[in-house]
Amino acid sequence: QSVLTQPPSVSGAPGQRVTISCTGGSSNIGAGYNVHWYQQLPGTAPKLLIYDNTNRPSGVPDRFSGSKSGTSASLAITGLQAEDEADYYCQSYDSSLQGVFGGGTKLTVL
Amino acid sequence: EVQLLESGGGLVEPGGSLRLSCAVSGLTFNSDAVTWVRQAPGKGLQWVSILSVSGGARYSADFVKGRFTVSRDNSKTTVYLQMSSLRDEDTAVYYCAKGVWFGQIDYWGQGTLVTVSS
Repeated sequence: QSVLTQPPSVSGAPGQRVTISCTGGSSNIGAGYNVHWYQQLPGTAPKLLIYDNTNRPSGVPDRFSGSKSGTSASLAITGLQAEDEADYYCQSYDSSLQGVFGGGTKLTVL
Repeated sequence: EVQLLESGGGLVEPGGSLRLSCAVSGLTFNSDAVTWVRQAPGKGLQWVSILSVSGGARYSADFVKGRFTVSRDNSKTTVYLQMSSLRDEDTAVYYCAKGVWFGQIDYWGQGTLVTVSS
């Protein structure tokens, strides 16, 4: 049972928009800790996609965007492409001074 | 270019010990933080421990407290994860990653597999 809750799977057709939610609580996201998002392609290490709720590292397409409100955060992907098919994880910290991850969401491009 | 190279993984019996190493290059070693994250086969990511490379402060997940210890060796630009009292459920790929102290993780190593089994 992960501290942050994500849907196990989402799917969309090429060109569509999908969102992945990440729900926490008052001791983590709701306490003001930033949310970060990672993309993990099969058989590879995770890659930073969004940091500090809304920021994209250099090289990440602007099709990826993040938001945060209250005890939740979301990752949106527009103009879905085949190469976006991967696992996505949200991550934050808890007032117990531990890092926390969501359980991960598998994105399928139909 | 930032690079992190883990080593030390392998097969260990339940109750045994193992030390993972993370060789860091291409960054200012005395800044930021190094985080250990693990991933059990077919499962999601799990945060293990964080070390402030400059100040030495460290925090660990509840499930490894008292069993795993993270440390650094500045002269060798290496971070270690000493694991003891290993359990079957500790079987995972262990990633070493560089990031911001209690912030994002922006560079990841390739991971090293630890298998706990008799």
